[in-house]
Amino acid sequence: AQSVTQLGSHVSVSEGALVLLRCNYSSSVPPYLFWYVQYPNQGLQLLLKYTSAATLVKGINGFEAEFKKSETSFHLTKPSAHMSDAAEYFCAVSDVRGSTLGRLYFGRGTQLTVWP
Amino acid sequence: DTEVTQTPKHLVMGMTNKKSLKCEQHMGHRAMYWYKQKAKKPPELMFVYSYEKLSINESVPSRFSPECPNSSLLNLHLHALQPEDSALYLCASTRGQNTNYGYTFGSGTRLTVV
Repeated sequence: AQSVTQLGSHVSVSEGALVLLRCNYSSSVPPYLFWYVQYPNQGLQLLLKYTSAATLVKGINGFEAEFKKSETSFHLTKPSAHMSDAAEYFCAVSDVRGSTLGRLYFGRGTQLTVWP
Repeated sequence: DTEVTQTPKHLVMGMTNKKSLKCEQHMGHRAMYWYKQKAKKPPELMFVYSYEKLSINESVPSRFSPECPNSSLLNLHLHALQPEDSALYLCASTRGQNTNYGYTFGSGTRLTVV
């Protein structure tokens, strides 16, 4: 079974500081991994995804994530936080690969606060 | 068009009402999903439609009734809901049958049951 653990339900950083949001996964097959962002009263927006190509994945808004199989991790980083990055972030893993119908398993989410 | 459009954005309904949520996409995606999201929680999968056929029902109460009239449209019919059903209801779609491309989510319908 697939699962995702996000360490830290709340992360606070100062504007301009490094953002690090942690995600560890459990999967019985090589996973597809995703990071989504949700702003208040909005749907989820895909930030980036890992689909077994490059282990360092670049996404939108300056975010990137590195897939580390040995650590079963897919942490999200951004070198310099901006006030507009304040939102809820969800890590997710897909339960199957290929063309079989699958579903996403979400972590519990991490609320990012950015202080001026 | 790269969006999933959900209507209405907000809905307040009584426990005896019947209402419907609508979701539309014109990206040619053939899998569509309904999720329920409570405050400060991750989305919970409710239903999956693949090629207009119901593929997954996550043991959702019968007061929620999904419908997929065509490949672009997904409805969620609501009847005799309870206050605990108040939540953000999200629609999503994916290309083909797999989630490997990631979902495209709509902005959701904020439902309040009174």
